[in-house]
Amino acid sequence: EDQVTQSPEALRLQEGESSSLNCSYTVSGLRGLFWYRQDPGKGPEFLFTLYSAGEEKEKERLKATLTKKESFLHITAPKPEDSATYLCAVQAFSGSARQLTFGSGTQLTVLP
Amino acid sequence: GAVVSQHPSRVICKSGTSVKIECRSLDFQATTMFWYRQFPKKSLMLMATSNEGSKATYEQGVEKDKFLINHASLTLSTLTVTSAHPEDSSFYICSAGLAGGYEQYFGPGTRLTVT
Repeated sequence: EDQVTQSPEALRLQEGESSSLNCSYTVSGLRGLFWYRQDPGKGPEFLFTLYSAGEEKEKERLKATLTKKESFLHITAPKPEDSATYLCAVQAFSGSARQLTFGSGTQLTVLP
Repeated sequence: GAVVSQHPSRVICKSGTSVKIECRSLDFQATTMFWYRQFPKKSLMLMATSNEGSKATYEQGVEKDKFLINHASLTLSTLTVTSAHPEDSSFYICSAGLAGGYEQYFGPGTRLTVT
């Protein structure tokens, strides 16, 4: 059974204080690992897809990296508008072609 | 591109009534759409996979007679919660993906409250 564990559950940062969110996964054949951002009361917003160990993707203050067992979402010099819940999900080669298994998320709060 | 909409965004209904939620892919065609349920401060739980022109595939523990899914066109899937009860109150989110890609794009969600 595919499993995704995210840590920490919650993270409070001061504006400009860089940090990383962790996503550990167990999957029988990783097709892709996905990062999403979710604001309260809204659907998840797609951020990144990572397909193989060593791959990195960047978007503004966010950088996602992938190893064979985990992924990190690095946030550099965050701003209050980066406050949200960040979700990690994996997609396996087995099962439905696009089925995602989600972690429980990291709730990030950036204080001004 | 890859915009998914849902309607309504919020709905309040009385116990015992049925509620229909629509999910549309606005700028692309989706042969497969997914329906999720999310409880407060919890992650997304996949309920079912909606396949255009065929029956939906439900996850274990999800009652298919209670959560009716219809995917009649390449841009529209509907979820009907039948004989709703207060425990069905939740945030329902749909997603769809572009042909040839693996990413899923999510709708804005529908907040269902059953009184």
